[in-house]
Amino acid sequence: QLQLQESGPGLVKPSETLSLTCTVSGGSITSSRYYWGWVRQPPGKGLEWIGNIYYSGGTFYNPSLKSRVSMSVDTSNDQFSLKLSSVTAADTAVYYCAREDYLTAGNWFDPWGQGTLVTVSS
Amino acid sequence: QSVLTQPPSVSGAPGQRVTISCTGSSSNIGTGYDVHWYQQLPGTAPKLLIYGNTNRPSGVPDRFSGSKSGTSASLAITGLQAEDEADYYCQSFDSRLSIYVFGTGTKVTVL
Repeated sequence: QLQLQESGPGLVKPSETLSLTCTVSGGSITSSRYYWGWVRQPPGKGLEWIGNIYYSGGTFYNPSLKSRVSMSVDTSNDQFSLKLSSVTAADTAVYYCAREDYLTAGNWFDPWGQGTLVTVSS
Repeated sequence: QSVLTQPPSVSGAPGQRVTISCTGSSSNIGTGYDVHWYQQLPGTAPKLLIYGNTNRPSGVPDRFSGSKSGTSASLAITGLQAEDEADYYCQSFDSRLSIYVFGTGTKVTVL
């Protein structure tokens, strides 16, 4: 059974870069069918898609975050990563990684990692 | 960026049927993009409930069903149970914003 697990610092200072890694187990990140995505949820609020990456390295970012987001993939370790630069308090959220699957018209997210809370504070 | 609108809350007694609407526009649901639904229990990650408008992943009870028409979609829960108390989100793709979008979320309360 495929499982995803986020890891990274839980506290980041304003203006610095948030860095998270998602480790995939129970399957390979190099499957040609899937994309690998990041979604965040500010405390008490809704879900926001950040972007995704394909195993070959192709990326697709949320335009509202595009200038600050960078994603990468490490196929040898079945991991993919997220970097978000110049963070502010508005970036405080639970960050989830998830596998993206699709039929014909738009991806869905399954399964999800358990999520990791990242707080931006000095 | 919530372009998919859901009612903030719905409630029902055990055994009843409740529905959650997800209203979009011509740049997302109305243009043919699929709608997917997630259940988020308190303090946990979202879980896929319905994909491709009407399909249930294995393990999801058939009490949950999805539908789509025009610029809207709906999730129905029949035979409501206490364990169904959670937040529910719809999700699709918006071609104008060029992003995957989630609904505003609906809290289901079992009375």
